[in-house]
Amino acid sequence: AQSVTQPDIHITVSEGASLELRCNYSYGATPYLFWYVQSPGQGLQLLLKYFSGDTLVQGIKGFEAEFKRSQSSFNLRKPSVHWSDAAEYFCAVVAGMNYGGATNKLIFGTGTLLAVQP
Amino acid sequence: GAVVSQHPSRVICKSGTSVKIECRSLDFQATTMFWYRQFPKKSLMLMATSNEGSKATYEQGVEKDKFLINHASLTLSTLTVTSAHPEDSSFYICSASVVGHNEKLFFGSGTQLSVL
Repeated sequence: AQSVTQPDIHITVSEGASLELRCNYSYGATPYLFWYVQSPGQGLQLLLKYFSGDTLVQGIKGFEAEFKRSQSSFNLRKPSVHWSDAAEYFCAVVAGMNYGGATNKLIFGTGTLLAVQP
Repeated sequence: GAVVSQHPSRVICKSGTSVKIECRSLDFQATTMFWYRQFPKKSLMLMATSNEGSKATYEQGVEKDKFLINHASLTLSTLTVTSAHPEDSSFYICSASVVGHNEKLFFGSGTQLSVL
């Protein structure tokens, strides 16, 4: 069965420092991978997604992620973190993508809470 | 981009009452809507998948008589928590897929349900 692991529950970085959030997935075929961000009491905002093609994906707010099949990873990175980036980040994989039907359920990781120090 | 409106954003109710949460796709037609539940400091767990005009498909362990889902049109799905109890208190989020573009998923802003 598909699964997503985010090893880091909580990360603190200084403003201006670089950031890498880890995500490992388990999926038999080529996965469809997502990173979402959630601010307190809010819904989810899509940062970026990977379906195929270039393994380095650019997203919004200066985020990028790299798909590494050999490591089953899809880590999220940002060169310089801003205080407004403090939030919870979720990695997700689609379970059973189906363009003709409607089976694109998302399996989420447990999230990584990012704190940014001044 | 596409917008999914979820209403209400916050609701407090008494134990034993029912609460309805609406999820609307404002500028696109959604073939499918998904309902998730998020416990404090936990990930989002898929509760059910709702397809327009048909019965919802519930995930294992989710009581379909407790969490009624209706997807009457391509722009509206509702989740009704029946006879709510304090253990139903949670953050509920819907998402919608675009017709013909199932790789595009858009999330609502969530509903915080508190049952007293």
